Amino acid sequence: GQNIDQPTEMTATEGAIVQINCTYQTSGFNGLFWYQQHAGEAPTFLSYNVLDGLEEKGRFSSFLSRSKGYSYLLLKELQMKDSASYLCAVLDSNYQLIWGAGTKLIIKP
Amino acid sequence: IAGITQAPTSQILAAGRRMTLRCTQDMRHNAMYWYRQDLGLGLRLIHYSNTAGTTGKGEVPDGYSVSRANTDDFPLTLASAVPSQTSVYFCASSDSTSKGSDEQFFGPGTRLTVL
Repeated sequence: GQNIDQPTEMTATEGAIVQINCTYQTSGFNGLFWYQQHAGEAPTFLSYNVLDGLEEKGRFSSFLSRSKGYSYLLLKELQMKDSASYLCAVLDSNYQLIWGAGTKLIIKP
Repeated sequence: IAGITQAPTSQILAAGRRMTLRCTQDMRHNAMYWYRQDLGLGLRLIHYSNTAGTTGKGEVPDGYSVSRANTDDFPLTLASAVPSQTSVYFCASSDSTSKGSDEQFFGPGTRLTVL
């Protein structure tokens, strides 16, 4: 079966750095997405990785290792507005997105 | 309008009633999707449409139907609602399904409660 695992909840301090991990087992791989979802709102796109390595976009970076079935999202200089759920999703061989349950990130002052 | 709109925002429905959730996008995207999101679970795909006139079944299609008469609209119908269909429903669209990097854009969601 297809499976995406990420921690249920993480806590970090304002101004610090946090890494949210995602491991996956899917039928085929056509890329991995990270989305941010604030409580009561729709998911919004953060990043897309299809090749191994690190993609940096401002305070957010995303890493992919296809051989290990592993990705992480790195958030630097955390701000209170970064409190949200972070969703990992893999595009499978049928170009359908398989979603993880999301990681709720709590930022403390 | 800009992006994707959904209606209604929320609804309480008696079991056995028929309900249609509306979704409209103005980005001229080819592909559209319906997901449900339940606590502790990832988004689950109900139905999708790669282009106007075609639809397909996702992971959890039972009890739901869709149509895609034109590019902009993608309504989701619950023929006879049951309490297990209580969920938050998101409609999404993307420019294409064959290009992996195309992100999906989401509507604001419909919160549905079936009693």
